[in-house]
Amino acid sequence: GNSVTQMEGPVTLSEEAFLTINCTYTATGYPSLFWYVQYPGEGLQLLLKATKADDKGSNKGFEATYRKETTSFHLEKGSVQVSDSAVYFCALNQFYFGTGTSLTVIP
Amino acid sequence: ETGVTQSPTHLIKTRGQQVTLRCSSQSGHNTVSWYQQALGQGPQFIFQYYREEENGRGNFPPRFSGLQFPNYSSELNVNALELDDSALYLCASTPRGGVASTDTQYFGPGTRLTVL
Repeated sequence: GNSVTQMEGPVTLSEEAFLTINCTYTATGYPSLFWYVQYPGEGLQLLLKATKADDKGSNKGFEATYRKETTSFHLEKGSVQVSDSAVYFCALNQFYFGTGTSLTVIP
Repeated sequence: ETGVTQSPTHLIKTRGQQVTLRCSSQSGHNTVSWYQQALGQGPQFIFQYYREEENGRGNFPPRFSGLQFPNYSSELNVNALELDDSALYLCASTPRGGVASTDTQYFGPGTRLTVL
């Protein structure tokens, strides 16, 4: 079946630190992969996506590469800001979400 | 462009009752998906409606049902409420249907349901 396993949080980083949030998946066929973000008090919104192996999705300084050989789609950002504090969800085929990783960035 | 809206914002019901939640899709979108998000968990896919027909369903019992109207707005109905149904219910719209769609989903703010 389809499932997503996401790194557990919460994660606390200092401003300008490097961020990695791990996401691995199990799927039949050739899934598309997504990262969604939920800022405090706001709804879920798409952060980035990749629809085939070796694709790299990117947005707002965040990147994730679709790795079929390791069934992974890890989210990275080189230098986080306080405004990146949010909950991040990895998703497979739009509909199968991980449990979310809460990120807090402190000044 | 009007975003996805949901009503009501909050709702309190007792076990055994029935509830109806409503969602208006983003302008131009003909597909609505519903999710249940328990506290501290990711959204769980309930079902999707495309052009007024159910177009995919997650692992939820038949007491979770839905409708989509000609204007593409949608309702989620839950019968015989259980305590575990307490959650945030999200709807999301996309321009096109299909459970393998890669179109961006636009989420509403959710309805917080509490079952006592």
